[in-house]
Amino acid sequence: QVQLVQSGAEVKKPGASVKVSCKASGYTFTSYGISWVRQAPGQGLEWMGWISAYNGNTNYAQKVQGRVTMTIDTATSTAYMELRSLRSDDTAVYYCAREGPTVGDTFLDYWGQGTLVTVSS
Amino acid sequence: SYVLTQPPSVSVAPGKTARITCGGNNIGSKSVHWYQQKPGQAPVLVIYYDFDRPSGIPERFSGSNSEKTATLTISRVEAGDEADYYCQVWDSSSDHWVFGGGTKLTVL
Repeated sequence: QVQLVQSGAEVKKPGASVKVSCKASGYTFTSYGISWVRQAPGQGLEWMGWISAYNGNTNYAQKVQGRVTMTIDTATSTAYMELRSLRSDDTAVYYCAREGPTVGDTFLDYWGQGTLVTVSS
Repeated sequence: SYVLTQPPSVSVAPGKTARITCGGNNIGSKSVHWYQQKPGQAPVLVIYYDFDRPSGIPERFSGSNSEKTATLTISRVEAGDEADYYCQVWDSSSDHWVFGGGTKLTVL
């Protein structure tokens, strides 16, 4: 069965960086992409970007462009999302989700369990 | 940028039908996906491409999409359907996914 397992909760200081991992199993990793979505406490879902597991192509949301880097390790079927220059409003649960091989053409059919990132001095 | 508008809350009695709307400019020309999120859990896809259901999603969940409004309909509502529901579309002008603000479904 398809599973996406994310790394554990993180607490960071403002200005620091965080790197969240998402290990995939149960499907051919390189035939899909991974989208990252975050949810601030009590708020809705916000798409952050997408990466192709086939060739590493990326599409980042304007709001985080310049602070975010998404990468792929095909050897371990793991996707990573690094967010830099953290601010208090980056405090959120970060989700990875499986998407089709072309961003925007399909939907997010499987999701990780979420990783809470807390930014606090 | 493209905006999706959902009602903040919808309430329904058990056994009745709940309708959750998602409005957007010319939304009928886009594919709409719907997600259910229960407290403390990750979202779950319940409808894709306007009206298709993933395996394992009850037939009580259905979707439709017209010119201005997409609708998620939940028939014979159960207590277990209480959750937040989000609609999603691809905005081709910005090449970004867009989510609606979410609707909290309360089962009375």
